[in-house]
Amino acid sequence: AQRVTQPEKLLSVFKGAPVELKCNYSYSGSPELFWYVQYSRQRLQLLLRHISRESIKGFTADLNKGETSFHLKKPFAQEEDSAMYYCALKLAGGTSYGKLTFGQGTILTVHP
Amino acid sequence: NAGVMQNPRHLVRRRGQEARLRCSPMKGHSHVYWYRQLPEEGLKFMVYLQKENIIDESGMPKERFSAEFPKEGPSILRIQQVVRGDSAAYFCASSQAISTGELFFGEGSRLTVL
Repeated sequence: AQRVTQPEKLLSVFKGAPVELKCNYSYSGSPELFWYVQYSRQRLQLLLRHISRESIKGFTADLNKGETSFHLKKPFAQEEDSAMYYCALKLAGGTSYGKLTFGQGTILTVHP
Repeated sequence: NAGVMQNPRHLVRRRGQEARLRCSPMKGHSHVYWYRQLPEEGLKFMVYLQKENIIDESGMPKERFSAEFPKEGPSILRIQQVVRGDSAAYFCASSQAISTGELFFGEGSRLTVL
C-alpha cells in the first residue's frame, strides 16, 4: 500500500529565509504527487502538482524518484505563506480518479 | 460558484445516535469524495461516488457507515450508532474530471460524539 510521510509537524522560519517542507512517499509504481495548502480559515486547496512542473506563489517541488521524495521549496518565505501544507499521492492512470493518500501535514509559520 | 458546500459545520451526537453529513459538490462536478481526518492525522479516503453510484468504498468502515449520492440532492454520509472514535472532521471534495488529482474541498463537518 502507498504511504506519504511528512516528517515535520511544525516548521518555523523568518521572513525572507528559504523554506523546505519535506515529503517522502512509498509506492512501487509511478505515482502522481501533489501539494495541498490550507490557509487560516480557508478550505484545503491545490497548490501544485508534479506533472505540471509549475511554480505557484514562488513554490516549486521536484519529484525525485530515486529518493522517493517530493519536497516543497521556496527561496524566500513570506508571512502569507503561513499555513498547513499537505503532500498527497495519487496512483497514476485514469482509473485512479481522485483517491489521494495524504501525509499528516506540516504547519509552516513564517515570522516577521 | 459557491464551491463545495457541507453542512452541518459542527455536529454533536451522543453515543448510539445517528449522524448525517451532507455535501453539495461544485456546480458541474459529478464526482464526490469523502475523507475523514482524525485528530493528529492526515486526511484518509473513505468513499468515491458518482450520481447514484458508489464507485469505491474501500476506505469506509465495514459497519455503521454508508454513503449515497442520489440523482437529486446532496451526497450524504451516514454514520449509525456513533461511538466516540467517530469524532473527527469529515471533508467532502468534488472534481469535474475522473482522472484529475485536483479536488475541490468543502470546509468540513466536525463531528463530536459525547
